[in-house]
Amino acid sequence: NAGVTQTPKFRILKIGQSMTLQCAQDMNHNYMYWYRQDPGMGLKLIYYSVGAGITDKGEVPNGYNVSRSTTEDFPLRLELAAPSQTSVYFCASSPGQGYGYTFGSGTRLTVV
Amino acid sequence: AQSVTQPDIHITVSEGASLELRCNYSYGATPYLFWYVQSPGQGLQLLLKYFSGDTLVQGIKGFEAEFKRSQSSFNLRKPSVHWSDAAEYFCAVGASGNQFYFGTGTSLTVIP
Repeated sequence: NAGVTQTPKFRILKIGQSMTLQCAQDMNHNYMYWYRQDPGMGLKLIYYSVGAGITDKGEVPNGYNVSRSTTEDFPLRLELAAPSQTSVYFCASSPGQGYGYTFGSGTRLTVV
Repeated sequence: AQSVTQPDIHITVSEGASLELRCNYSYGATPYLFWYVQSPGQGLQLLLKYFSGDTLVQGIKGFEAEFKRSQSSFNLRKPSVHWSDAAEYFCAVGASGNQFYFGTGTSLTVIP
């Protein structure tokens, strides 16, 4: 039972480059989320999805895009990377309203 | 607006001592409340959750939390701390769309 799988675990980007953070879950959860974690700031919601084909913005969506073509996958796209996007990114999934999240192990991204 | 406050950035306790981590929330309706633990370099793991009913909830690893509506609090407790409990602890409140708002975390150090 893999749970939530994130790839890559680490990445260094140059300013202006683009990349996609991958997230896959094998629990048939409808809800999926992307958070970023910065020191002393807790976790901030970037985007979330309540099912395939449905996505919505969270607290800090600027500079990011998502898609949800299948129940299993929820990739996060960074366009024109900026130093402010240096962070640890967590993907999470949930079976529904009121349930806790299952988190992936995170992607540590550095933009230089 | 929903928010979560963890007033203690860092706590140090001796192994075998009791522990209480504070969490205060702001939410208009009856909240879903959660505690998560994060070990270094790892994702977050759900410790326990409160939806309704008994205000004292039991979780994994010997943790418990008490919901006090009058104080808007959901404090985490453990009677006897083990060295392996050293980690970062996050309180979260669940809002509409199953979005979670996280506190900024409390870092726990356990000394022998």
